[in-house]
Amino acid sequence: KQEVTQIPAALSVPEGENLVLNCSFTDSAIYNLQWFRQDPGKGLTSLLLIQSSQREQTSGRLNASLDKSSGRSTLYIAASQPGDSATYLCAVNPGANNLFFGTGTRLTVIP
Amino acid sequence: NAGVTQTPKFQVLKTGQSMTLQCAQDMNHEYMSWYRQDPGMGLRLIHYSVGAGITDQGEVPNGYNVSRSTTEDFPLRLLSAAPSQTSVYFCASSYGGAGNQPQHFGDGTRLSIL
Repeated sequence: KQEVTQIPAALSVPEGENLVLNCSFTDSAIYNLQWFRQDPGKGLTSLLLIQSSQREQTSGRLNASLDKSSGRSTLYIAASQPGDSATYLCAVNPGANNLFFGTGTRLTVIP
Repeated sequence: NAGVTQTPKFQVLKTGQSMTLQCAQDMNHEYMSWYRQDPGMGLRLIHYSVGAGITDQGEVPNGYNVSRSTTEDFPLRLLSAAPSQTSVYFCASSYGGAGNQPQHFGDGTRLSIL
């Protein structure tokens, strides 16, 4: 069964800092990987989706990379802002109608 | 544009009671799904549907039923609530399958079983 791990579980950074969130998965046979943002008491918002044939995707200050062979993805956030404070989740799709989620990294950006 | 709407937002049940969690989407998405989110665990798939009249089980289907009579609605039924079903439940939808397109999530239903 696919296992998805996100380290660290929590991270605090000062405003303006660049940061990297990590996601690892045990089975490299995936179709794609998604990064989500979850605000307290809210649902998930999809940030980036990387297909297995892609190496990275960018949206504004966010850049997600995928190294399928090593079972790793990173989410890079440039020039962090207090509004970026949230829990970030990654999820992998093994090709069936299911997503396997990590437990998330709770990010706090300190003004 | 409402997106994915879940009702109720909060619910407290007694063990053995039944109830239905509602999910509706207005984006004409074929794919809909239900997840539960528990502390220290990633979201886990309960049931999903690839279109009206078609449903299938996910990773943790026991104790739950679903039906999909219309494209818009995908209710989740708890048959006989148990304390182990205390969780936050999320409904999601998308064009195509689970991972082919970005998933749109509702705000969740927080369910407590006493």
